[in-house]
Amino acid sequence: AQSVTQLGSHVSVSEGALVLLRCNYSSSVPPYLFWYVQYPNQGLQLLLKYTSAATLVKGINGFEAEFKKSETSFHLTKPSAHMSDAAEYFCAVRADSGNTPLVFGKGTRLSVIA
Amino acid sequence: KAGVTQTPRYLIKTRGQQVTLSCSPISGHRSVSWYQQTPGQGLQFLFEYFSETQRNKGNFPGRFSGRQFSNSRSEMNVSTLELGDSALYLCASSLDQVGNTIYFGEGSWLTVV
Repeated sequence: AQSVTQLGSHVSVSEGALVLLRCNYSSSVPPYLFWYVQYPNQGLQLLLKYTSAATLVKGINGFEAEFKKSETSFHLTKPSAHMSDAAEYFCAVRADSGNTPLVFGKGTRLSVIA
Repeated sequence: KAGVTQTPRYLIKTRGQQVTLSCSPISGHRSVSWYQQTPGQGLQFLFEYFSETQRNKGNFPGRFSGRQFSNSRSEMNVSTLELGDSALYLCASSLDQVGNTIYFGEGSWLTVV
């Protein structure tokens, strides 16, 4: 069974600073990995996804994530935070085997301080 | 093209009542899944449908049920509502392959009083 652990339920950064949101996964088979963002009172929007084509994945809004199999990690980064990045971020995993559902982490709330 | 559409967006129900939520997937998507989101439990998988068949089911009581129609539209039903069922219910759709992106709707906010 797959699982996702997001370290830190709340991360606060200054505007212009590096954003680093941590995600570790557990999967017995090769995984597909996703990062979603949720703004207040909205659904989830896909930021980026890893599907084994490349370990460094670039997404929307300047975000990127690196798949590290040896560390079972898929951390999300952005070089310079913007006020509009304040939102809830979810890491999710889906096994590349059978019909398994998308499993989400608990989420990390990102605050950006002016 | 239009995204995943969920109706109603907001609703208030009384304990013991039942509720039906509707979801229209993105055109061409045949897989529809449902999630419950609460502050305490986060995003929890309810069930997934593909071509009118339930393909996966999460760990929820039998009061939670769903179905998918031949046009891929889906409904979920919660009977005998409890206060703890208050949540955001998210519907998502995708093409069939497991690596395909899952697109989410805006959700239906259910408040049980």
